[in-house]
Amino acid sequence: RKEVEQDPGPFNVPEGATVAFNCTYSNSASQSFFWYRQDCRKEPKLLMSVYSSGNEDGRFTAQLNRASQYISLLIRDSKLSDSATYLCVVKGPGGYQKVTFGIGTKLQVIP
Amino acid sequence: NAGVTQTPKFQVLKTGQSMTLQCAQDMNHNSMYWYRQDPGMGLRLIYYSASEGTTDKGEVPNGYNVSRLNKREFSLRLESAAPSQTSVYFCASVDRDYYNEQFFGPGTRLTVL
Repeated sequence: RKEVEQDPGPFNVPEGATVAFNCTYSNSASQSFFWYRQDCRKEPKLLMSVYSSGNEDGRFTAQLNRASQYISLLIRDSKLSDSATYLCVVKGPGGYQKVTFGIGTKLQVIP
Repeated sequence: NAGVTQTPKFQVLKTGQSMTLQCAQDMNHNSMYWYRQDPGMGLRLIYYSASEGTTDKGEVPNGYNVSRLNKREFSLRLESAAPSQTSVYFCASVDRDYYNEQFFGPGTRLTVL
């Protein structure tokens, strides 16, 4: 089993739709969780951290389920500008050398 | 404040040639990292430097060397390039090894023929 698994997509959704991505991780000792956004041919940028209690930032909601070892990202009212690849990032105990990146889920928002 | 910068942006090498990828950050971060990104795979750590003066191997270090020249700069060297090293290389830095955000450079697209 891969350490971090994501459905690569693509997810093609119409503008205004709600879309959700899941990401599973295998190391139960993982401590920190993030969603990064990567635009085509660009560097990854932090979208949001994922907290145990769940957190929301505008149209984006992230949740963590430690029992089932997955994190999720929900995007409401999708915009064309949301088209990108969303990377699930899991950090184990220790420093950032313990970070594992998922392959990313590609989202295409269609007019 | 430029963040993390990388040079060059693009490079084409022939098998066996050598080159150095440069990375610099102006955020006074302690830790710096080199990753490669290949299609269908997540970013994989090549080498990292937890602090000035230290470097350690990551997941895929073979064929690479690094130098942490000072707190700002962290370079990656390919001594004898191979086609398997064709990839996009990202440098990143982070303030502390904690829950903080990693900042990435714009990447170097390397093709080895």
